Amino acid sequence: QKEVEQNSGPLSVPEGAIASLNCTYSDRGSQSFFWYRQYSGKSPELIMSIYSNGDKEDGRFTAQLNKASQYVSLLIRDSQPSDSATYLCAVNMYSGGGADGLTFGKGTHLIIQP
Amino acid sequence: KAGVTQTPRYLIKTRGQQVTLSCSPISGHRSVSWYQQTPGQGLQFLFEYFSETQRNKGNFPGRFSGRQFSNSRSEMNVSTLELGDSALYLCASSAVLTGDSYNEQFFGPGTRLTVL
Repeated sequence: QKEVEQNSGPLSVPEGAIASLNCTYSDRGSQSFFWYRQYSGKSPELIMSIYSNGDKEDGRFTAQLNKASQYVSLLIRDSQPSDSATYLCAVNMYSGGGADGLTFGKGTHLIIQP
Repeated sequence: KAGVTQTPRYLIKTRGQQVTLSCSPISGHRSVSWYQQTPGQGLQFLFEYFSETQRNKGNFPGRFSGRQFSNSRSEMNVSTLELGDSALYLCASSAVLTGDSYNEQFFGPGTRLTVL
């Protein structure tokens, strides 16, 4: 049974600071890891994908993956009020072709305080 | 490039009825996945289609079914609706790529289903 765990929050961060979101997963065979942002009443929006151990940076976002510890994180630098949303960690396991079902965490509610 | 589209956006049904939801993937994407999102259970995988074939299925009863057409458009059907089927149903499309874009799934706006 694949499980993805996230702290539900809310996580409150002052504007301009670094927001750190964490996620652990149970399936050691997992190979693809994603962070989605979901605003209230909207659908999830893909913001980062990571496949290899280490860091991956895209603008203000950095994803970090540690497969040995089964841990993936998302850092948001220079946090803005518009970053206030629920952040969903998603994991899937390669089974030989294409997009398999993603297993999602319940999400972390992030609040950026002006 | 146009995003994933889903129709209808909102739907109200009564218990025992059936419903069909439609999804058009991003142009060129051949994989379509369906998810159910509820406040209690979060986002849960229903099934995934690629080249008109169901490749993966989540842990949902047989009342939930789907299909994919040759143009990659997909439909999902829920028969004998129950109150607990009230949820946001999301479709996601994916291009089967390798490397840094592998398995990235892009969601449509969803269909909000209310069962009375």
